[in-house]
Amino acid sequence: AQKITQTQPGMFVQEKEAVTLDCTYDTSDQSYGLFWYKQPSSGEMIFLIYQGSYDEQNATEGRYSLNFQKARKSANLVISASQLGDSAMYFCAMSPSGGGSNYKLTFGKGTLLTVNP
Amino acid sequence: DAGVTQSPTHLIKTRGQHVTLRCSPISGHKSVSWYQQVLGQGPQFIFQYYEKEERGRGNFPDRFSARQFPNYSSELNVNALLLGDSALYLCASRARAGGYNEQFFGPGTRLTVL
Repeated sequence: AQKITQTQPGMFVQEKEAVTLDCTYDTSDQSYGLFWYKQPSSGEMIFLIYQGSYDEQNATEGRYSLNFQKARKSANLVISASQLGDSAMYFCAMSPSGGGSNYKLTFGKGTLLTVNP
Repeated sequence: DAGVTQSPTHLIKTRGQHVTLRCSPISGHKSVSWYQQVLGQGPQFIFQYYEKEERGRGNFPDRFSARQFPNYSSELNVNALLLGDSALYLCASRARAGGYNEQFFGPGTRLTVL
């Protein structure tokens, strides 16, 4: 079974500053994928970034980067230069990968990020 | 191109009733998954369908069922509604069932059971 833990129920950051959202995971799978999603108050889940367990380099997508530490089983999201529009719930998720088994995302409980002007 | 669409947007039902939620995937996507998101929690996996076959099922009672049609759209059915079924129901589509490929979510259907 896979498990995601997000220990920060809420985070505050000043506009234009960087913020790190924590995520730790537990799995017995050798191959897996890690994801971050953003959920605004409208409810839609917006994909931000993906990291494969065998990827040697940390994933980056614009202002988002994933700090992947495999030995520590952590996959923290770093948002650089925060914007007011970044205020939302952020979910860390994982899935098994490979073959036909990559059908299910397991999500954490989320972190509510508030960006202050 | 249109994203994942879901209908209805909001729905209010009473205990014991039945509900059908609908999802249309992104054009060309053959895999559809359903998730339930209770207030204050992350989404929980309910079903995945690929090429009209069930490929996975989460830990939900038999009151929950789903199907996928030849055009790859999908329905989620919930019978004998309970108060605890009140949630945001999210549909997600992806191009293939396996391997890494991005999963796109729809806006969700917010179900309230009174």
